Amino acid sequence: DQQVKQNSPSLSVQEGRISILNCDYTNSMFDYFLWYKKYPAEGPTFLISISSIKDKNEDGRFTVFLNKSAKHLSLHIVPSQPGDSAVYFCAATGGSEKLVFGKGTKLTVNP
Amino acid sequence: KAGVTQTPRYLIKTRGQQVTLSCSPISGHRSVSWYQQTPGQGLQFLFEYFSETQRNKGNFPGRFSGRQFSNSRSEMNVSTLELGDSALYLCASSYWGVRDSSGNTIYFGEGSWLTVV
Repeated sequence: DQQVKQNSPSLSVQEGRISILNCDYTNSMFDYFLWYKKYPAEGPTFLISISSIKDKNEDGRFTVFLNKSAKHLSLHIVPSQPGDSAVYFCAATGGSEKLVFGKGTKLTVNP
Repeated sequence: KAGVTQTPRYLIKTRGQQVTLSCSPISGHRSVSWYQQTPGQGLQFLFEYFSETQRNKGNFPGRFSGRQFSNSRSEMNVSTLELGDSALYLCASSYWGVRDSSGNTIYFGEGSWLTVV
């Protein structure tokens, strides 16, 4: 049972445009969500997080939106840069140290 | 400051053998978590240690075990290796855990690539 789903395996956008990566979850006990970026042969790098008491969190070019009623969150990257090309993972947790990850979305930003 | 260091980076083992992977967390971090990444299952939580105590455990068989030392360094062991254990094993560390009101979170190492033949 996949509790965190990233339904788009890949996404391609033009440099300078907005990238929107989506994530759905099924477990209503999840109350903290994170996004990680991963380059090949490297460990995941933390990007941004959001608590369930918020519906938006911004950090520079990265904004995460949380819609609790829809059990959906999204990561917006504006403007997208070629260096953003990587695999993006959504992760969630609810009251423990266990992170449940989605299977990732591969973002390609074309110059 | 130095990041999370995992050793070895690459190793090949034979079915039935056992393997020990090591993780040195960021200085000052007391929580260490382990994850397995495979193409089919993605990133899956193995276990988490805090101050030498296992706080959380994932849904892996007893062949997978770990421990944490007083200096926060951690090791994980897999006994009786199976072909399906071939994966990238990632270690992550943090001060207190996944969520931290001061904005810290968990930081991952580059992983140990295990191939079982």
